[in-house]
Amino acid sequence: EVQLVESGGGLVQPGGSLRLSCAASGFTFSSYWMHWVRQAPGKGLVWVSRINTDGSTTSYADSVKGRFTISRDNAKNTLYLQMNSLRAEDTAVYYCARPLAVGITPPYWGQGTLVTVSS
Amino acid sequence: NFMLTQPHSVSESPGKTVTISCTRNSGSIASNYVQWYQQRPGSSPITVIYEDNQRPSGVPDRFSGSIDSSSNSASLTISGLKTEDEADYYCQSYDSSPWVFGGGTKLTVL
Repeated sequence: EVQLVESGGGLVQPGGSLRLSCAASGFTFSSYWMHWVRQAPGKGLVWVSRINTDGSTTSYADSVKGRFTISRDNAKNTLYLQMNSLRAEDTAVYYCARPLAVGITPPYWGQGTLVTVSS
Repeated sequence: NFMLTQPHSVSESPGKTVTISCTRNSGSIASNYVQWYQQRPGSSPITVIYEDNQRPSGVPDRFSGSIDSSSNSASLTISGLKTEDEADYYCQSYDSSPWVFGGGTKLTVL
C-alpha cells in the first residue's frame, strides 16, 4: 500500500524557517518524481515544487522561488521541503504527492502537515 | 502556462447525476492527461480519475471522466449521487509547466 506521511509543520514567526519531511513507503520511491502542493485555509490546491528521481532537477512556483528548497534522500525514502524567509501568505497545509505512472498507477497524496506563519 | 476553469459550485439531489466541467484556456485538453481529485472537509485529496478516464481501484464506477476537444474541456460525471459524494473536486493537468489545478468545485448533495 502506498503511504506518504508528512511531518515538520508547526507555528513559526515571519522570517523564520521550517523543514518539512515526507516519508514514503509501499512503492519504489527512487523511481518517481515527487511534488509538494499546498492549500491555504479555505482555498484551493496550489503546486509548490517538484524534484526528479535523483534530485538533480528541481522546479518551483514563482511565489516560493529563492526561499524554498526541495530535496530527497532515496536511501531513506524521504522527501524534504526546506522553507526559509517564511511569510504569512505561506500559511497552508502542505501535501507531498506522488504523480501517476502512465498506464500503471494513479497519483497518491499524503495527509498533509499544517504550517502557520504568524507572530 | 495555461489555466483550468471549473464552476465554483454545483448541487444535485441524491440518486441523480452531476457533471463537473474543467475548461483549459490555452493548448489542447487532449495533449496532457487530466486528473480529478476529491477532497472531503478536513481530509487530503484522493484521486478519483486519472489519465482522463481511468478509475483507481476502490473508486466506485459511479465516477467517470472524459475529455471533449471541441470545447477543450474535461468532465467528471458522478451518477447515482450519494451524500458521501459531497466534497470539493479539483481537476489537474500539466504541459511543459508542472501541475496546474482548477480552482475547485464544491459539490453539494441535498
